[in-house]
Amino acid sequence: AQKVTQAQTEISVVEKEDVTLDCVYETRDTTYYLFWYKQPPSGELVFLIRRNSFDEQNEISGRYSWNFQKSTSSFNFTITASQVVDSAVYFCALSDGTDSWGKLQFGAGTQVVVTP
Amino acid sequence: GAGVSQSPSNKVTEKGKDVELRCDPISGHTALYWYRQSLGQGLEFLIYFQGNSAPDKSGLPSDRFSAERTGGSVSTLTIQRTQQEDSAVYLCASSLEGQGVVNYGYTFGSGTRLTVV
Repeated sequence: AQKVTQAQTEISVVEKEDVTLDCVYETRDTTYYLFWYKQPPSGELVFLIRRNSFDEQNEISGRYSWNFQKSTSSFNFTITASQVVDSAVYFCALSDGTDSWGKLQFGAGTQVVVTP
Repeated sequence: GAGVSQSPSNKVTEKGKDVELRCDPISGHTALYWYRQSLGQGLEFLIYFQGNSAPDKSGLPSDRFSAERTGGSVSTLTIQRTQQEDSAVYLCASSLEGQGVVNYGYTFGSGTRLTVV
């Protein structure tokens, strides 16, 4: 069963618009960790954020913000005032100790295209 | 090294040939992971090393795939008798320990793009 669902395949916005990426996860564990990674056209995955299941406080880092809601099993990511450099594929991932803590289960990714 | 290094960056091979993909993790990182990213797909876990042993190889898709790690450092992913469906980007990541991903996060390499023709 798919554990991480990113229903949006691609989102296109014009520069300065806000964009929200959805991530819904599934786990039976009470302790788990959620991640967002960015994959620019160069291909290298860039770590953005890690959040544990006991910390539901939303987080803001510059133009990035994350909304973690356990009640809906969602960990959504918003880019405010998007820029062309934000164009990338964004992956949401889950680590819940299944088999090993080191194993990340990724969603299919959301391609963000920001045009000038 | 400063980052996770993977070689080659690109590999084109004929169907049926064997290929070896190399990963050089960050110095001191005891945990090493291989993932596969097929075109338009998310990342698929292949295998995890802690030191030289592989406690989790549940993601290897068939017995044509194998991996080893020597000296707790460099890892080689070998694909025998390659098939066209093996075409993908193979990504390697490392962390300080097996649970390091939740404490310290992964560092990914740039990947090897494998094309089987």
